[in-house]
This record gives sequence, structure tokens and C-alpha cells, in this order.
Amino acid sequence: SFELTQPPSVSVSPGQTASITCSGDRLGDKYASWYQQKPGQSPVLVVYQDNERPSGIPERFSGSNSGNTATLTISGTQAMDEADYYCQAWDINTAVFGGGTKLTVL
Amino acid sequence: QVQLQESGPGLVKPSGTLSLTCAVSGGSINSSNWWSWVRQPPGKGLEWIGEIYHSGSTNYNPSLKSRVTMPVDKSKNQFSLKLNSVTAADTAVYYCASKIATTLAFDYWGQGTLVTVSS
Repeated sequence: SFELTQPPSVSVSPGQTASITCSGDRLGDKYASWYQQKPGQSPVLVVYQDNERPSGIPERFSGSNSGNTATLTISGTQAMDEADYYCQAWDINTAVFGGGTKLTVL
Repeated sequence: QVQLQESGPGLVKPSGTLSLTCAVSGGSINSSNWWSWVRQPPGKGLEWIGEIYHSGSTNYNPSLKSRVTMPVDKSKNQFSLKLNSVTAADTAVYYCASKIATTLAFDYWGQGTLVTVSS
């Protein structure tokens, strides 16, 4: 079955660039989406169709997807970006989520 | 803007059936969106359960397919989740979410509801 793999944790200093990867077999042939989830809150869509941002999502969030890896990039990371991030893609008619990455801003 | 609200019992006995409803407001369930259920066990990641279209077409997670049904009630603008033969492993926060067919992303989410499976 199709699986998505993310690093459990990523750390970044305020103002620096954070990169969170998501790996899956031929993931680049599919659209990747990314969700931000803060403690006690519902997930929020931050990137869809690999590199599109929904209305209201800051420009510092961007994405890319090629080969077997999709990447969420947060430029100029702020303390408010500290959260869990999940990648997601569709395999035939099944949605698959990555295991999640805890982003720590310190 | 679409708003989603889950409702249902917070406690279900083992071997019983988990039943939740998601009320859709600010939009019609007859739109081009697909309507999904996603769950998150305490301290763990997200797991997609399945989705339904207003026509009644469904797609389910293969790992749960044998235990899941997702009826839609167009007259009440809501859809539901029924998961039978539950065990403690089904304890989770259950979210309903909408997916725009053109983006393949879950753009709106409910607040989530915790369901505990325990005797």
C-alpha cells in the first residue's frame, strides 16, 4: 500500500527557513497537500496541489514536489509556526497522510 | 464559508457501533465537494476513514472498509459515519472535512469530537 514518510521532528531558529520533507513512491506524480495542526485544534490546509496557498495563508509557506519527495518550506519562520505538519496525497481513491512532523521554533 | 460540526456520543462500548453526524452550514451538501471523515488517536497522527459524494458514491480506507458506512441526508444537509465492531483502538478524535474535487485537498474541517471506546 502507498505510504508517506515524514521526519518526526524538525527544529528551526526564528527567522530562519524550515524544510519538512514527505517521501513516497513516485509522490511527484501525485498532488501533495500540507496541513498545520496546533495543540487542541483542527488541522488547517496550508498548501495544496504541491505549491498553491489557500486564501489567508502567509506567503512564507511554500511547497514543492518532485520525484519521490514533497517539501514544505517555511521562510522566515515565526514562533506562531510551531505546530505539527502533515503531508497528504491520494493513491487511486484513498487519502493517505504522512505520520506528521513536529516543528519546533527555538 | 462552509462550516462543519460533528455530533454524537462520546462513549461507545466495545463491539458496539460508533455513530457520528456532521452538519454542513454555509454551503450545500449537493455541491461539488466530497465529504470525509478523518480520525486522530490521542497523541498520534491523522487517519482518513472515507468520503461520500451527495450522489451516494463512496470511497473508504481499505483498512476500515469492512466496518464503515457513510450515509448522507440531503434533506438535513448532513452526512454521517457508522463504524461497527469497535475496539479500544478506535478511540480517537473524529473530524469531518470537505474536499474540493478540483484541488484534492481538505479545505474545511470540523472542530472534532472525541470518541472513547470503553466498557
